[in-house]
Amino acid sequence: EVQLVESGGGLVQPGGSLKLSCAASGFTFSDSAIHWVRQASGIGLEWVGHIRGKVNNYATAYAASVKGRFTISRDDSKNTAYLQMNSLKTEDTAVYYCTRGVLTNFDYWGQGTLVTVSS
Amino acid sequence: EIVLTQSPATLSLSPGERATLSCRASQTVSSYLAWYQQKPGQAPRLLIYDASNRATGIPARFSGSGSGTDFTLTISSLEPEDFAVYYCQQRSSWWTFGQGTKVEIK
Repeated sequence: EVQLVESGGGLVQPGGSLKLSCAASGFTFSDSAIHWVRQASGIGLEWVGHIRGKVNNYATAYAASVKGRFTISRDDSKNTAYLQMNSLKTEDTAVYYCTRGVLTNFDYWGQGTLVTVSS
Repeated sequence: EIVLTQSPATLSLSPGERATLSCRASQTVSSYLAWYQQKPGQAPRLLIYDASNRATGIPARFSGSGSGTDFTLTISSLEPEDFAVYYCQQRSSWWTFGQGTKVEIK
């Protein structure tokens, strides 16, 4: 059974940092692209970024809204992907999902972890 | 950035009725369009990929059609568990989602 489990969310002040984790199981993790998608206040879904698998040299890409502030990485030995978020803004407040990317869509999703940026 | 516009914003229907949801892209996305269902407190669930292919385990009452800029998700006969929010998503140029259509009980 494919599972993705996010962790690491919480309350952080504007300008602060937070690192999310996405633990995967049930599939060949090293071959898979992992994406992060966020959802603010239950409205709308926004693609945040991705990291591709080993065969694609772990290439990364980011949405313009987070480029330069967020970094995605992975540790294939732990079947885990990470989202390092720096210089956080109030508008980054959202539920963050990790999801497996397959060509044109996202077939499995984690349950999400809430990030709240507030003073 | 390719913008996806979903209509209507809300669809009020009764169980057993047919639901027709629309997704229009600001430029062609070929057939690289997917549909997701999301219920409160849950992650999105993939329903349809590449415009018309049902994902694993998705009931046959869900169908997708379209290509280019205009796409449709049809639920042939609504079951109680189908009342939810539905999103379209494109992969022609990066990844973007529509704003969602809420299917609510009339």
